[in-house]
Amino acid sequence: TQLLEQSPQFLSIQEGENLTVYCNSSSVFSSLQWYRQEPGEGPVLLVTVVTGGEVKKLKRLTFQFGDARKDSSLHITAAQPGDTGLYLCAGNAGGTSYGKLTFGQGTILTVHP
Amino acid sequence: EPEVTQTPSHQVTQMGQEVILRCVPISNHLYFYWYRQILGQKVEFLVSFYNNEISEKSEIFDDQFSVERPDGSNFTLKIRSTKLEDSAMYFCASIPTSYRGNYGYTFGSGTRLTVV
Repeated sequence: TQLLEQSPQFLSIQEGENLTVYCNSSSVFSSLQWYRQEPGEGPVLLVTVVTGGEVKKLKRLTFQFGDARKDSSLHITAAQPGDTGLYLCAGNAGGTSYGKLTFGQGTILTVHP
Repeated sequence: EPEVTQTPSHQVTQMGQEVILRCVPISNHLYFYWYRQILGQKVEFLVSFYNNEISEKSEIFDDQFSVERPDGSNFTLKIRSTKLEDSAMYFCASIPTSYRGNYGYTFGSGTRLTVV
């Protein structure tokens, strides 16, 4: 069974601070995806990383896939109150998994003005 | 922006009753999924569906659960005899066939199922 451990579970910071969320596993994934989920809504895709060592940027968000494709991080620069929400990482094992995603437990981010 | 549509948004049912959760995936997508999220817990995979048959299912997806695509547009999840522990948010998701595995999924807004 593949597991994704996401940390920290809760993060409360002031506007303008930087933060990093980590997603770790002992298993290799063919891709790692990051989602943001608002209360009562479905996850919304932020980014997919596929290649080991890959770095993708989405405005103030930087996503990195570990060289061994077992871990990933999300770094937010100069956080804003609008960044507040639940961030989820999800891994796809590839192969014959038919696209099944394994989710981390999520990080609840609160950015205070 | 194409959307995955789920109905109803909220369903309350009595224990032992059957429920059907409905989803309309994005029209040119061919892989469909159901996930669930119990309050405060991880999003969990239930089942994947391709070419009118189940391609993979989790241990959660026991004989009480079934899926079908009755008319080429709707994708349904049926729970035959609901239990209290089936209370959760149920999400439908879809991806286009050529993007299987390495691209993001489009999730619906979910159905909140409450079993009383």
